[in-house]
Amino acid sequence: QVQLVQSGAEVKKPGASVKVSCKASGYTFTSYAFSWVRQAPGQGLEWMGWISTYNDYTDYAQRLQGRVTMTTDTSTSTAYMELRSLRSDDTAVYYCARVPYYYGGNGYYPTFDYWGQGTLVTVSS
Amino acid sequence: QSALTQPRSVSGSPGQSVTISCTGTSSDVGGYNYVSWYQQHPGKAPKLMIYDVTERPSGVPDRFSGSRSGYTASLTISGLQAEDEADYYCCSYAGSHTFALFGGGTKLTVL
Repeated sequence: QVQLVQSGAEVKKPGASVKVSCKASGYTFTSYAFSWVRQAPGQGLEWMGWISTYNDYTDYAQRLQGRVTMTTDTSTSTAYMELRSLRSDDTAVYYCARVPYYYGGNGYYPTFDYWGQGTLVTVSS
Repeated sequence: QSALTQPRSVSGSPGQSVTISCTGTSSDVGGYNYVSWYQQHPGKAPKLMIYDVTERPSGVPDRFSGSRSGYTASLTISGLQAEDEADYYCCSYAGSHTFALFGGGTKLTVL
């Protein structure tokens, strides 16, 4: 069965960086892309970006451009999200989600069919 | 680009039907057939309930259905059950410069 298992909770100081991992199993890793979505405490979902596992193409939300980097390691079937220059308003639960390829649409579209369990990142001095 | 607009809360009694709306523009909800809906219980990860406006993933009860009229997509839950109480989020493709746009979320209370 498909599983996405994320790394554990992190506590960081303002200005630091955090790297969250998402290990996939139960399917062919390179047949799906990944997206990252975060949720601040008591707030809604915010899309952060997505990465193709086929050619490492990335697309990031405009408000996070320059601070976020998404990568994948096909040898370990793991996706990563690094966020730099952390601020207090980056405190959130970070989710990875699998993105299927649309053959009819010839591309990836925001259907997130499986999600990781979430990783709480707390930014506090 | 602004988030999609959802009502903050809706409620219904067991057995009744409720509909949650998600309003966007011609650049997102009204322009593409890539609207999806997610259910989120407290402390849990979101779960895909509807994709491509009307399609239901295997394992999702047929009590859940999706539709769209103009710039507004809707999620209808019929035969409400206690376990349907959760937050629901819509999401739409918004073109090559905005891959995904989420709604603000709707809290469903089963009375």
